Amino acid sequence: GQQLNQSPQSMFIQEGEDVSMNCTSSSIFNTWLWYKQDPGEGPVLLIALYKAGELTSNGRLTAQFGITRKDSFLNISASIPSDVGIYFCAGLRAGNNRKLIWGLGTSLAVNP
Amino acid sequence: GAVVSQHPSRVICKSGTSVKIECRSLDFQATTMFWYRQFPKKSLMLMATSNEGSKATYEQGVEKDKFLINHASLTLSTLTVTSAHPEDSSFYICSARPGLADYNEQFFGPGTRLTVL
Repeated sequence: GQQLNQSPQSMFIQEGEDVSMNCTSSSIFNTWLWYKQDPGEGPVLLIALYKAGELTSNGRLTAQFGITRKDSFLNISASIPSDVGIYFCAGLRAGNNRKLIWGLGTSLAVNP
Repeated sequence: GAVVSQHPSRVICKSGTSVKIECRSLDFQATTMFWYRQFPKKSLMLMATSNEGSKATYEQGVEKDKFLINHASLTLSTLTVTSAHPEDSSFYICSARPGLADYNEQFFGPGTRLTVL
């Protein structure tokens, strides 16, 4: 099935560094969601975006809905060890029966 | 708010047996629930969409007679893996979407690790 282009695939950073990841698509989306998944757990919703150009923060996390409606990014500032995990973007297109289209994930490792 | 539970969290069964996994929305009503399968280090793969009071919609390539889905109430959906085989071993995750028309967020359960011997 269709998937979003998510990059980078993995990141290994030092504690305190900022992190940026993004998702792109050739299709227009009307909702972008960012999730984090810890090993052996289900994804946890971090940020939901509903409007083109929307910039939303959740603590040290900031995400934006691209103006073209075909992309979104997630930034994490001042990373800490508990930020370790896999981050997924997911998008929803109009008239798609509410089925999310998923990115392949960005695996984040933080070195204390 | 928006808590989804799954039971069991982990199950080991013999080949040929059936396994039922429950997905519950604890503090909201979910007109739609989704069942996913996830392989190690991979993204989530949608198996089926479950709508309360109607038949589930299965994704292409997913056998509906193999993976039976029942969404009997606005807070409960079940996935039964029938005649399980080792290749069915996987991490199964459900999600639930609140019933508001413009509310697109999905909330996920903690997942069920199925191992078929």
